[in-house]
Amino acid sequence: EVRLVESGGGLVKPGGSLRLSCAASGFTFSNAWMSWVRQVPGKGLEWVGHIESKTDGGTTDYAAPVKGRFTISRDDSKNMLYLQMNSLKPEDTAVYYCTTEDNWNYDYWGQGTLVTVSS
Amino acid sequence: QSALTQPASVSGSPGQSITISCTGTTSDIGSYTLVSWYQQHPGKGPKLMIFEVNKRPSGISNRFSGSKSGNTASLTISGLQAEDEADYYCCSYAGSSAVVFGGGTKLTVL
Repeated sequence: EVRLVESGGGLVKPGGSLRLSCAASGFTFSNAWMSWVRQVPGKGLEWVGHIESKTDGGTTDYAAPVKGRFTISRDDSKNMLYLQMNSLKPEDTAVYYCTTEDNWNYDYWGQGTLVTVSS
Repeated sequence: QSALTQPASVSGSPGQSITISCTGTTSDIGSYTLVSWYQQHPGKGPKLMIFEVNKRPSGISNRFSGSKSGNTASLTISGLQAEDEADYYCCSYAGSSAVVFGGGTKLTVL
């Protein structure tokens, strides 16, 4: 069974940093492309970015609102996905989901972790 | 990229069929067959229901179907059941390694 468990969310001040983690199990993590998608509570979904598998190049891509501030990385030895978020803004407040990705389809999702950016 | 346009809400009675539309542009839905649909129940992570316009993942009921015409994609749910009540989101590849989601549609089963 595929399982994705996000952690690391919390309250952070504007301009601060936070690192989210996603523990993956039930599939061959090293072969998987992985994404982060966020959702403002009560609102719609927004793609944050993704990371290719290392065998496919390991390239990362980001949505315009987070480019230059967020960094996605992976540790295939630990089956872990990370999202480093710097220079956080109030509009980054959202639930952040870790997902598997297959040809721009997001087939498995975690339960999400809430990030609140507020002074 | 701007979000894809979905109706805020739709409703139907058990056993009926409903269709949720998702309107984009020639830069996203109109140019790619990479349209997917997600179901989200309150407090849960989304679940993939349809991918590549009209394909169903293993385990998804054939009551769910997808289609596309021009810049608009559609999700149809036939034989509505109480457990179908949820929020539904469309999603499309938008080129240049970018993705856009719809604003979501709340389905109420009367």
